[in-house]
Amino acid sequence: ELKVEQNPLFLSMQEGKNYTIYCNYSTTSDRLYWYRQDPGKSLESLFVLLSNGAVKQEGRLMASLDTKARLSTLHITAAVHDLSATYFCAVEGPLDNDMRFGAGTRLTVKP
Amino acid sequence: DTGVSQNPRHKITKRGQNVTFRCDPISEHNRLYWYRQTLGQGPEFLTYFQNEAQLEKSRLLSDRFSAERPKGSFSTLEIQRTEQGDSAMYLCASSFAGYNEQFFGPGTRLTVL
Repeated sequence: ELKVEQNPLFLSMQEGKNYTIYCNYSTTSDRLYWYRQDPGKSLESLFVLLSNGAVKQEGRLMASLDTKARLSTLHITAAVHDLSATYFCAVEGPLDNDMRFGAGTRLTVKP
Repeated sequence: DTGVSQNPRHKITKRGQNVTFRCDPISEHNRLYWYRQTLGQGPEFLTYFQNEAQLEKSRLLSDRFSAERPKGSFSTLEIQRTEQGDSAMYLCASSFAGYNEQFFGPGTRLTVL
């Protein structure tokens, strides 16, 4: 069964600092997704990673995928308060409809 | 607004009542998904449609739950004889077949008293 694990689950960081969120998954998958969720809101798509070695950047966020290690990272550079949210990774299983989400990383950026 | 929409946004009901939620996907998308999200957890897959056909159902979807997409456009999710454990956010998402980036609606928050 496909399992997706994120760590840390909670992250409190100071503005201006860098940090990395990790997403491990248990079975082979070619596609990985990162989403952001603000409290009480729905999920916003951030990145779609489609192949081994894929790297995508948007503003202060950069995501990468290593399919051999079954690992994706979401790197935060020089954090700002507006990045405070919960970040989810999601992995496609063998059937392309079978999307499994991690438990999420709740990020708080403090001034 | 051309995104995914869901109605109602909030629903409070008493245990044992039936509730129905509606999802309108992005119009060009032929796939539609239902998820359930409880506090502090990621979304859990419930079911999905390609056009009007329901192609997959999770074990989480008990026989009290039924979903339809009669014309391949909007979808409804009905929960019969609601239980307190059904309290959650119900999310709908849509995508193109073969390119599974899913776009989520705002969700319907269900509270069962």
